[in-house]
Amino acid sequence: ETGVTQSPTHLIKTRGQQVTLRCSSQSGHNTVSWYQQALGQGPQFIFQYYREEENGRGNFPPRFSGLQFPNYSSELNVNALELDDSALYLCASSLAAGGYNSPLHFGNGTRLTVT
Amino acid sequence: RKEVEQDPGPFNVPEGATVAFNCTYSNSASQSFFWYRQDCRKEPKLLMSVYSSGNEDGRFTAQLNRASQYISLLIRDSKLSDSATYLCVVNGAGGYNKLIFGAGTRLAVHP
Repeated sequence: ETGVTQSPTHLIKTRGQQVTLRCSSQSGHNTVSWYQQALGQGPQFIFQYYREEENGRGNFPPRFSGLQFPNYSSELNVNALELDDSALYLCASSLAAGGYNSPLHFGNGTRLTVT
Repeated sequence: RKEVEQDPGPFNVPEGATVAFNCTYSNSASQSFFWYRQDCRKEPKLLMSVYSSGNEDGRFTAQLNRASQYISLLIRDSKLSDSATYLCVVNGAGGYNKLIFGAGTRLAVHP
């Protein structure tokens, strides 16, 4: 069974630039969620994708956007980067949306530094 | 008020100690509850789900009190390898599997 993989592992960008982070979900999982974890905080929900559509969104501005592809892999795009976007970005997959007891399986994250 | 609040920590305990973490959540409509463990600079990993009747997994015991909106995790006979941050996690309302994380409680077990 292939786990959740994310790329790149680390990334350094300049304020105002754009970034794309990638995620391959665990085999058989059709739902992908993205989380942002700032230093010393718990992960914060950004959004979730199911069947290539956004299925729910947290309190993040529109410059955070995403895509899900037919093979259930996903991208997180952030435009106009700000210093506060520096964080660990986590992708998690699960089997089905609306499954309240479905645990999330996280990838090892992309650490983004904005300078 | 934060949706999920935890003991701030850190907890520094000797090997063999029993340690308890507490957590409260604000949304009474929440239906699923979990404890995740996160090692330094790693991704969170599911430690255990929390069920209404309480549940145990080896040295770990989780309790849920829906009336008080309170969740706990008890670790018995602490090991050095238990050193990590423990995240209290609640499923948010909205018809999809959105998890709301507490800020985490750091545990350091020393010899």
